[in-house]
Amino acid sequence: GAVVSQHPSWVICKSGTSVKIECRSLDFQATTMFWYRQFPKQSLMLMATSNEGSKATYEQGVEKDKFLINHASLTLSTLTVTSAHPEDSSFYICSAPTAGATYNEQFFGPGTRLTVL
Amino acid sequence: AQSVAQPEDQVNVAEGNPLTVKCTYSVSGNPYLFWYVQYPNRGLQFLLKYITGDNLVKGSYGFEAEFNKSQTSFHLKKPSALVSDSALYFCAVKRGNTGKLIFGQGTTLQVKP
Repeated sequence: GAVVSQHPSWVICKSGTSVKIECRSLDFQATTMFWYRQFPKQSLMLMATSNEGSKATYEQGVEKDKFLINHASLTLSTLTVTSAHPEDSSFYICSAPTAGATYNEQFFGPGTRLTVL
Repeated sequence: AQSVAQPEDQVNVAEGNPLTVKCTYSVSGNPYLFWYVQYPNRGLQFLLKYITGDNLVKGSYGFEAEFNKSQTSFHLKKPSALVSDSALYFCAVKRGNTGKLIFGQGTTLQVKP
């Protein structure tokens, strides 16, 4: 199946700093990618849809100025957590659907564990 | 609104026994349903999907799921559980014509030797 990578796999930062997380589709092109966050032992919450060549669309309640998304190419989307605070500590996961208008299947990255001190 | 429910937080089963992880859904129109598995500190791995056709869907690692329209269910099953099947399982439904997935709460499967 298709492979999606994320970098870094984990990061620890100080409160007030910004952190960038990369999501790459390794063997396919993805005009759309999705960003999720997951709290311990909880489900995935969709944060935003990353669109190549246009602005990301954010789910209700997600601060777009805090979680900056850039879809730089057909294989790369980045999520930047700006001015991070301890409450932003979470597991961030990206996904990319395979080609096709119906997006029948998504492939997920391995996730990035963010810890804000 | 579309939603997915997994009524069990945890399922415990002995190795070699059959397992079932339950999922019910609520959608308007035809449902596109998925099962994913997550191991600790890892992303999600796709197991299987139902789009249309045969109600019994076979997937990866010996898993299968049965789509039941009248009961709006999509339960995940495996005839003989392995200890290595122990993980967190998510049922999901595709939201409308977007690629967005709505996930259930997740069910932890514990297979004991």
